[in-house]
Amino acid sequence: QQQVKQSPQSLIVQKGGISIINCAYENTAFDYFPWYQQFPGKGPALLIAIRPDVSEKKEGRFTISFNKSAKQFSLHIMDSQPGDSATYFCAAPNDYKLSFGAGTTVTVRA
Amino acid sequence: NAGVTQTPKFQVLKTGQSMTLQCAQDMNHEYMSWYRQDPGMGLRLIHYSVGAGITDQGEVPNGYNVSRSTTEDFPLRLLSAAPSQTSVYFCASSYIGRVGELFFGEGSRLTVL
Repeated sequence: QQQVKQSPQSLIVQKGGISIINCAYENTAFDYFPWYQQFPGKGPALLIAIRPDVSEKKEGRFTISFNKSAKQFSLHIMDSQPGDSATYFCAAPNDYKLSFGAGTTVTVRA
Repeated sequence: NAGVTQTPKFQVLKTGQSMTLQCAQDMNHEYMSWYRQDPGMGLRLIHYSVGAGITDQGEVPNGYNVSRSTTEDFPLRLLSAAPSQTSVYFCASSYIGRVGELFFGEGSRLTVL
């Protein structure tokens, strides 16, 4: 069973809109929450990450919001661009094992 | 600036055949791992290694073998391929204390008929 549950499976957003992807976890031993971006035919690449001692981290148009009490974290893509069309994975490492969510395919329509 | 290099990129096998997927990294990373990616299931960890001579099982190890004789190389062996092993395989590496910050190869697409 997946240790990190991700939703939605896919989403379509208009150019300039906001994309929001949610993840939930159960294991309170997780202490680092990365997001990966994957383009078709390529390997995933680290996009942004957060530690549980902060509630939000922003890098450019990408923001992670973290809710420790709810054991949830989310990725917000502001001002979405066609070049952001990709599959996004949340993840959490524990004991040399990085567990991934099922992935969200984001399509940005021009 | 090679990073993580996987070969081959594509392979078709018949049921029961064996093969090895190669993975090499030039970043002096201690940690290396293999994942398989299937639609709707994300990336699932097959095997990983924290250094030369040390390997361990991940979430879905059955049907796969690994070894780590050098820091740079981490081959994945399929001893007797099955159609259920049709997938895209990714090798990834990182520094030992940064398993959350993996560098991935471009993947190897395997089809087992």
